[in-house]
Amino acid sequence: AQSVTQLDSQVPVFEEAPVELRCNYSSSVSVYLFWYVQYPNQGLQLLLKYLSGSTLVKGINGFEAEFNKSQTSFHLRKPSVHISDTAEYFCAVIPGGTSYGKLTFGQGTILTVHP
Amino acid sequence: DTGVSQDPRHKITKRGQNVTFRCDPISEHNRLYWYRQTLGQGPEFLTYFQNEAQLEKSRLLSDRFSAERPKGSFSTLEIQRTEQGDSAMYLCASSPRATNTEAFFGQGTRLTVV
Repeated sequence: AQSVTQLDSQVPVFEEAPVELRCNYSSSVSVYLFWYVQYPNQGLQLLLKYLSGSTLVKGINGFEAEFNKSQTSFHLRKPSVHISDTAEYFCAVIPGGTSYGKLTFGQGTILTVHP
Repeated sequence: DTGVSQDPRHKITKRGQNVTFRCDPISEHNRLYWYRQTLGQGPEFLTYFQNEAQLEKSRLLSDRFSAERPKGSFSTLEIQRTEQGDSAMYLCASSPRATNTEAFFGQGTRLTVV
């Protein structure tokens, strides 16, 4: 079984500041890793994903994440945030080699960007 | 293509009543998933369909819950004899054939049981 831990439930930052949202996972097999964003009363939108290859993954809206296998982490970063980045962010995994994409999510991190 | 569509967006029901939600996946997506998200938590997997076949059900899906996907197109999720603990956002997602890494989510149905 897999599990995902998001280390911060809330992260407040000022506009144009950098931000890092932390994610650790546990799995006995290799995994695919994802970050999703959820705006209020909306569904989830995929920000980026790591399947294989380069450990630094770039996504939409200027976000990037780095896969660290030894630390079983997949932290999300953005060098300069905007007010519009205020949302809840979810880290998720799928076991590698499975035939369908059953996601296991973390608890979420609420990012609040202040002017 | 307007993405994954869920109906209704909001549902308030009295405890003990039955409710049914509908999900229309992106056309030609043969994989469909239901998740439940309670306040302050990440989504939790409920069930998975490949075409019309329900291939996996979570233990979260008690006997009061039933999901169908007739003809492999839209899907319905029914909750019988609702309880206050069923209050949550119910999310539907779909993905195309031959990939297990790209799920597209609908906007969800928020259920409130009073």
